[in-house]
Amino acid sequence: AQSVTQLDSQVPVFEEAPVELRCNYSSSVSVYLFWYVQYPNQGLQLLLKYLSGSTLVKGINGFEAEFNKSQTSFHLRKPSVHISDTAEYFCACLKREGAQKLVFGQGTRLTINP
Amino acid sequence: NAGVTQTPKFQVLKTGQSMTLQCAQDMNHEYMSWYRQDPGMGLRLIHYSVGAGITDQGEVPNGYNVSRSTTEDFPLRLLSAAPSQTSVYFCASSYHQGTEAFFGQGTRLTVV
Repeated sequence: AQSVTQLDSQVPVFEEAPVELRCNYSSSVSVYLFWYVQYPNQGLQLLLKYLSGSTLVKGINGFEAEFNKSQTSFHLRKPSVHISDTAEYFCACLKREGAQKLVFGQGTRLTINP
Repeated sequence: NAGVTQTPKFQVLKTGQSMTLQCAQDMNHEYMSWYRQDPGMGLRLIHYSVGAGITDQGEVPNGYNVSRSTTEDFPLRLLSAAPSQTSVYFCASSYHQGTEAFFGQGTRLTVV
């Protein structure tokens, strides 16, 4: 079975500072990887995904993530954050074959301070 | 565009009551699933379906039933509500393996 670990439960940063949200996964088979964002009192929205090809993927709102197979990581980055980026961020993985079971990490709450 | 619609948005139940959380999607997606979200635990899969008439258990299926009689609808039934089922429930759908999952707005359930 696959699992996802988000290494930080909370990340406070100042506005316009860079941020990195860390995600490690564990799986015996190849996986797809995703980052979702959840704004307060809303559902989840896809930020970006890695399916194949270039290991650096770009998403919405200026976010990007890098797939590192050797370190089994998929860290999310943004060079300059805004107040509007305050939200909870979830990393998730999905096996390439077999049952459609999206497995989520515990979430990282990103707080942007002015 | 409606996307994934969940009803109700909020619900309070007494221990032992039963109820059905509704989920409907208008994107003709084959895959649908139910998650519960609890603080510090991310989202955990309850049940999922790969098409009409086909369902399977996820990580935390106990106390919940599902059925998938149509492509559009995937209701989640709580048979006898318990306080441990107090949570936020999300329904999601996707076209096929590896594609984006679209989520509903969630149902906040409190069992007293």
